[in-house]
Parts: sequence; structure tokens; C-alpha cells
Amino acid sequence: ELKVEQNPLFLSMQEGKNYTIYCNYSTTSDRLYWYRQDPGKSLESLFVLLSNGAVKQEGRLMASLDTKARLSTLHITAAVHDLSATYFCAVADDKLIFGTGTRLQVFP
Amino acid sequence: DVKVTQSSRYLVKRTGEKVFLECVQDMDHENMFWYRQDPGLGLRLIYFSYDVKMKEKGDIPEGYSVSREKKERFSLILESASTNQTSMYLCASSLWPGVGGELFFGEGSRLTVL
Repeated sequence: ELKVEQNPLFLSMQEGKNYTIYCNYSTTSDRLYWYRQDPGKSLESLFVLLSNGAVKQEGRLMASLDTKARLSTLHITAAVHDLSATYFCAVADDKLIFGTGTRLQVFP
Repeated sequence: DVKVTQSSRYLVKRTGEKVFLECVQDMDHENMFWYRQDPGLGLRLIYFSYDVKMKEKGDIPEGYSVSREKKERFSLILESASTNQTSMYLCASSLWPGVGGELFFGEGSRLTVL
């Protein structure tokens, strides 16, 4: 059974700093997704990673996928308050399996 | 843009009531899904559907049923609501064949059962 683990679960970071969220999964998959959820809102798709070595960037967020290591990272560069949200990774098996989410809080 | 619309953002129901949660998508997607989201438990799949009139159980189907009479509409039904069904319910659709594709979510329906 595919298991998806994210860490950290909670991240409090200062504006301007860099940090990385990790998503590990337990069995082979070639599709991984990152989603963002604002408080009280639904999930918004951020990145779709479809192959080993895939890298996608949007603004201050960059996601990468290493299928051999079964690891994806979401790197935050020079964080700003607007990035405060919960971030989920989801891995494709016979269905999408979601990680538990990383709650990111960016403070001045 | 894909739009997935859930009919009710907030509902308050009493134990034993029948509850309908409606979801409509406008992108002609084949696959539709219902999840519930609870603190500490993440997203859990309740039911999904590959096609009209087709439905498949997810991880936690007990206490729920679904209906898909038209391609664009997928309804979640709680036949007799209970307090442990208080949750955020998220509908999603996907174009990708099978269930491992990118999901597009609705705004969510927060249900409170008293």
C-alpha cells in the first residue's frame, strides 16, 4: 500500500528566508502533484511532476521529483506572507494518495 | 479554467436527516470524486466515478452513497446523517484516465451535523 509522508508538518519561517518541504512515498510512481490550500478554502493545483528529474517553478516555489529516491521537494525562496497556506503532495497509485500536509506560516 | 462548483458552502443538519451534496463540473471530465477532509486525517476518498451511472467505493464509503446521472454532476448522499460525518467535503474532477490524474477541486462544503 502506498504511503506518502510529508515533513515538516508545520513550518514557521521568517519573510525572506528559504526552506524546503519534503514528500517521501513508499512505492514506485511516476506522477506527483503539489497542491496549496488556504484556510477554509479548497485545494488549488500548483505543480504536476510526471517524470524523474522533473522540475517546475512558479514564482518563489520550485518543485522537483526524484522517482528513484521516491522523493519530491517543494523549495521556497525568499518567503513572503502570501505564501502562508497548507501544502499537500499527492502521489498517483491506483488512486491519488495525499500526504498529511505542511502548514506554512510566514511572519515578518 | 476548469470550474468545479459545489452547491452549498456551509450546511447544518440534524442527526438522522438525509443530506445531499451536489457537485457540477464544466470541463467534460470523465472522472469525479468525493473526499472528506478532517484535521489530522488529511484527505480521504469516499467514492469516485469513471463515467455516468458508474461508481466505485473509495477508502471510507460507509454511511455514504453517490449518484451520477449526468456526466457533469456527481452527488454525495448521506442517508441518515450522524455527528461523525461533520466534516469538510471536497468534490473533484479529473480528465486523466483512471484515478491517478490531476484533480481539480471545488470550493468545499462544510457540513455540521448536530
